[in-house]
Amino acid sequence: AQSVTQLDSHVSVSEGTPVLLRCNYSSSYSPSLFWYVQHPNKGLQLLLKYTSAATLVKGINGFEAEFKKSETSFHLTKPSAHMSDAAEYFCVVRPSPPNDYKLSFGAGTTVTVRA
Amino acid sequence: DGGITQSPKYLFRKEGQNVTLSCEQNLNHDAMYWYRQDPGQGLRLIYYSQIVNDFQKGDIAEGYSVSREKKESFPLTVTSAQKNPTAFYLCASNRDPNNEQFFGPGTRLTVL
Repeated sequence: AQSVTQLDSHVSVSEGTPVLLRCNYSSSYSPSLFWYVQHPNKGLQLLLKYTSAATLVKGINGFEAEFKKSETSFHLTKPSAHMSDAAEYFCVVRPSPPNDYKLSFGAGTTVTVRA
Repeated sequence: DGGITQSPKYLFRKEGQNVTLSCEQNLNHDAMYWYRQDPGQGLRLIYYSQIVNDFQKGDIAEGYSVSREKKESFPLTVTSAQKNPTAFYLCASNRDPNNEQFFGPGTRLTVL
């Protein structure tokens, strides 16, 4: 069985400062990992994904995440927050072996950006 | 434009009524999914379909039903048996389970 824990339910940062969103997972296999962003009353948009290639993954809008197997973590970072980054962020695990259709979603981290 | 559309965006229902939420995709994806989202929680899987004319229950299927008669369409019916249907409903699709899911814009259902 797999599960995802987002360690912060809410993160508040000033515009121009770094953002760190923490995610830990548990999985019986080598998982695929995703970060999605959701703006209010919208669907989810993929930011980036890890699928067993490079452990440092670059995504859209300046976000990146590092897969650390020893720590079972997949933290999301951005060096400089922008007002448009205010949204909810979900860490998602897809277990391996492949062909499993079910994903596990974290509870989400709400990011607010102060001017 | 390729993508997933959901309609309506907002839906109001009286207790005891069944309602159907629409989900259409033109991405030529085989797999489609329905999720429910409640405040402060992650998404929970209601039903999914790997291929036309086939679907499986997710984690919270009670009180819901689906059909998959066409590749492009995966409607969700919220029945009167669903005890607490007020939520945000999201539809998603992907080419196969090894690829990321693409999400529609969602339907917000409110039971009056």
